[in-house]
Amino acid sequence: GAGVSQSPSNKVTEKGKDVELRCDPISGHTALYWYRQRLGQGLEFLIYFQGNSAPDKSGLPSDRFSAERTGESVSTLTIQRTQQEDSAVYLCASSPGTSGYNEQFFGPGTRLTVL
Amino acid sequence: AQSVSQHNHHVILSEAASLELGCNYSYGGTVNLFWYVQYPGQHLQLLLKYFSGDPLVKGIKGFEAEFIKSKFSFNLRKPSVQWSDTAEYFCAVTSIYNQGGKLIFGQGTELSVKP
Repeated sequence: GAGVSQSPSNKVTEKGKDVELRCDPISGHTALYWYRQRLGQGLEFLIYFQGNSAPDKSGLPSDRFSAERTGESVSTLTIQRTQQEDSAVYLCASSPGTSGYNEQFFGPGTRLTVL
Repeated sequence: AQSVSQHNHHVILSEAASLELGCNYSYGGTVNLFWYVQYPGQHLQLLLKYFSGDPLVKGIKGFEAEFIKSKFSFNLRKPSVQWSDTAEYFCAVTSIYNQGGKLIFGQGTELSVKP
């Protein structure tokens, strides 16, 4: 079946511009996670959604970052007034649930470059 | 806060050599442990996982990992590597009490296998 998809695959933007990244999770997966991977570093948790519950935003690095999810479908991660330190690969993952026993399935990522 | 350390950033081996990649985590409670792999040009995918029971777990492609609770370690091993094992390997942990199952990742180890 279809896996997690993300768009765009690459995004180059100028400092100060807003960007929107999209994630399509696996159908039926109630949990959706966003992670960030900066060059030479591991994946860093940003935010997760579980069904209609309030999202856990504890990993968002600043108020320039926000994310939305409509029900159990598509999610968008928005970065306002981008800075060079926002350059990274942004990965989305979905899971059948938010138990620590559930495997997370990752998308291909969006490589964001802020000039 | 939980953290995960991977001691080797880049490992270079010849085919048929044995592999051991180190992973240590900082959380003292009950954890679930994972190794993910990212082959060149592909998505991050699960290699193996440990929840409970036999501390020696086997994953795909001949990989195994041993959980040693007293050392807070979950090292990845393979007796004989192949060129196709060239990839980046990530260790990750989630606490069973970690609401939402968010993963804490190590920095990753890049493995290069020479044919």
